[in-house]
Amino acid sequence: ELKVEQNPLFLSMQEGKNYTIYCNYSTTSDRLYWYRQDPGKSLESLFVLLSNGAVKQEGRLMASLDTKARLSTLHITAAVHDLSATYFCAVDIATGNQFYFGTGTSLTVIP
Amino acid sequence: DADVTQTPRNRITKTGKRIMLECSQTKGHDRMYWYRQDPGLGLRLIYYSFDVKDINKGEISDGYSVSRQAQAKFSLSLESAIPNQTALYFCATSDWGRGTQYFGPGTRLLVL
Repeated sequence: ELKVEQNPLFLSMQEGKNYTIYCNYSTTSDRLYWYRQDPGKSLESLFVLLSNGAVKQEGRLMASLDTKARLSTLHITAAVHDLSATYFCAVDIATGNQFYFGTGTSLTVIP
Repeated sequence: DADVTQTPRNRITKTGKRIMLECSQTKGHDRMYWYRQDPGLGLRLIYYSFDVKDINKGEISDGYSVSRQAQAKFSLSLESAIPNQTALYFCATSDWGRGTQYFGPGTRLLVL
């Protein structure tokens, strides 16, 4: 059974600070995805990482993938309140295109 | 208009009742998915479909069934609802190439 673990589960940080969210997964996967969910809302795609060493950046968020370590990181630079949300990573099993989600990291950015 | 729509958005039902959640999409994607979200558990895959004739069980399919009526429509049924099926249900679609999933707005289901 594929397991996808995120840490931390909860993160409270001050505006302007940097932090990293980690996503570990337990089996080989071709692709890793990051999603954002605002309270009471649906999920929105942030990044798709398609190969080892892939790095994607959008604004204050940067995601990277190390397939050998089975690890992805989501780095937040100089956090702002608008980044408060729950962030999910998801892994795609190559053979079946099934997606397995992490439990999510609830981020609160304090002014 | 939204690319992925779900109806109803909220539903309260009683134990033992049969209910159907519907999903429609205008993205032209072949692949469609049903997930449930529970606090602290993330999203778990219930069923997925790669085309009208291809239906597959996901991680937690017991107690659920699905129907792919057309490329654009994928319905989830609870034949006899039970309280632990109370959750937020999401439909999603994806394109074959990149695999990014596009989610509907969700259906909040309460089983009493």
